[in-house]
Amino acid sequence: GAVVSQHPSRVICKSGTSVKIECRSLDFQATTMFWYRQFPKQSLMLMATSNEGSKATYEQGVEKDKFLINHASLTLSTLTVTSAHPEDSSFYICSARGRVSYEQYFGPGTRLTVT
Amino acid sequence: AQSVAQPEDQVNVAEGNPLTVKCTYSVSGNPYLFWYVQYPNRGLQFLLKYITGDNLVKGSYGFEAEFNKSQTSFHLKKPSALVSDSALYFCAVSPRGSEYNFNKFYFGSGTKLNVKP
Repeated sequence: GAVVSQHPSRVICKSGTSVKIECRSLDFQATTMFWYRQFPKQSLMLMATSNEGSKATYEQGVEKDKFLINHASLTLSTLTVTSAHPEDSSFYICSARGRVSYEQYFGPGTRLTVT
Repeated sequence: AQSVAQPEDQVNVAEGNPLTVKCTYSVSGNPYLFWYVQYPNRGLQFLLKYITGDNLVKGSYGFEAEFNKSQTSFHLKKPSALVSDSALYFCAVSPRGSEYNFNKFYFGSGTKLNVKP
């Protein structure tokens, strides 16, 4: 139980285009999902907290108009990187809060490369 | 400010020897404590957590961690390392009673464990 998937696992897009990453909780309902960004050989940086049916809460310094988050259902949150630039290239990881409030279950990550 | 420190960027150990990966934290109250492992280009895999009770927590793959309240530490240990344990290890802390803050995780910078045959 408590499996989180991400799609796609890898994506390459051209500069100026938008790309959508999906995060799904496969066997449980997740009222809260988190989006992280990880640079090479660095830790995870929390970008935003996504709550089903409401607007996401962004961390300081994260552009909400660039990183659009939608949490339309209890099993799906999406992150859309708009007008992508090469500096947006990174590893994006989502997590979902489990039935017990202090647990998080992590997705396998999405490698985004912007050319 | 909340912070989590993993003072060693890298830990090298020979296969069969014990290993320790250090983690200290500065978080208000008595936080929940976690260890995760990450293999290249993969997400985080849960190893173990401390919520309450015995200070020595046993987790997956033979790993264990010791919670030390006075030193605010949560070091990860394994009695006998395997080459397959080589990976990136993250300590994470979530402030207790922070449901209003959606139970955010604060991550350490990660420690690369190299286990040599």
